[in-house]
Amino acid sequence: KQEVTQIPAALSVPEGENLVLNCSFTDSAIYNLQWFRQDPGKGLTSLLLIQSSQREQTSGRLNASLDKSSGRSTLYIAASQPGDSATYLCAGPSYNTDKLIFGTGTRLQVFP
Amino acid sequence: NAGVMQNPRHLVRRRGQEARLRCSPMKGHSHVYWYRQLPEEGLKFMVYLQKENIIDESGMPKERFSAEFPKEGPSILRIQQVVRGDSAAYFCASSFYGTGSYEQYFGPGTRLTVT
Repeated sequence: KQEVTQIPAALSVPEGENLVLNCSFTDSAIYNLQWFRQDPGKGLTSLLLIQSSQREQTSGRLNASLDKSSGRSTLYIAASQPGDSATYLCAGPSYNTDKLIFGTGTRLQVFP
Repeated sequence: NAGVMQNPRHLVRRRGQEARLRCSPMKGHSHVYWYRQLPEEGLKFMVYLQKENIIDESGMPKERFSAEFPKEGPSILRIQQVVRGDSAAYFCASSFYGTGSYEQYFGPGTRLTVT
């Protein structure tokens, strides 16, 4: 049974810092891993999708890596901005299933 | 290409009433998933449907909840005789294929409040 854990649960940093958000999963037979952003009271915005055959994906200031053998994914945010303040969620399906198992999220606050 | 659409965005129901939540997947997507986010909790899978078929309902409460995805029209999540504990945000997602290797795209959610 897939379980997904995110560390830290909350993070508060000054603008400009480079950040690393961590995601751990128990079932290494994972098809892919998605990173999402959720603003308070809003829906989910997909940030990056890493397929199991890939090791990392980049989009602008975001870079996500996937290490299946260790059961870990990291989301790197470069030069953080106040507009990055949100909750970041990682999620992945287990092998032979289609439902996403979500982590508990990292609540990020970037202050000016 | 319009994204996943959900309506209503906000729904208020009194205890004992029925709630109907609608989800229109992205164009070309025939796989729909429903997730629930309880206050201060993470998102939990509820049900996975294809057109006219329920594929996985392992996350659905056994009573009062049902889902359908008819050949024509949106997917419907129906909650009968709502209770305060049903208050949550309900998100719908869709994908092109359902093998697990395809990205799921999420709608804006329906926030259900039971008074």
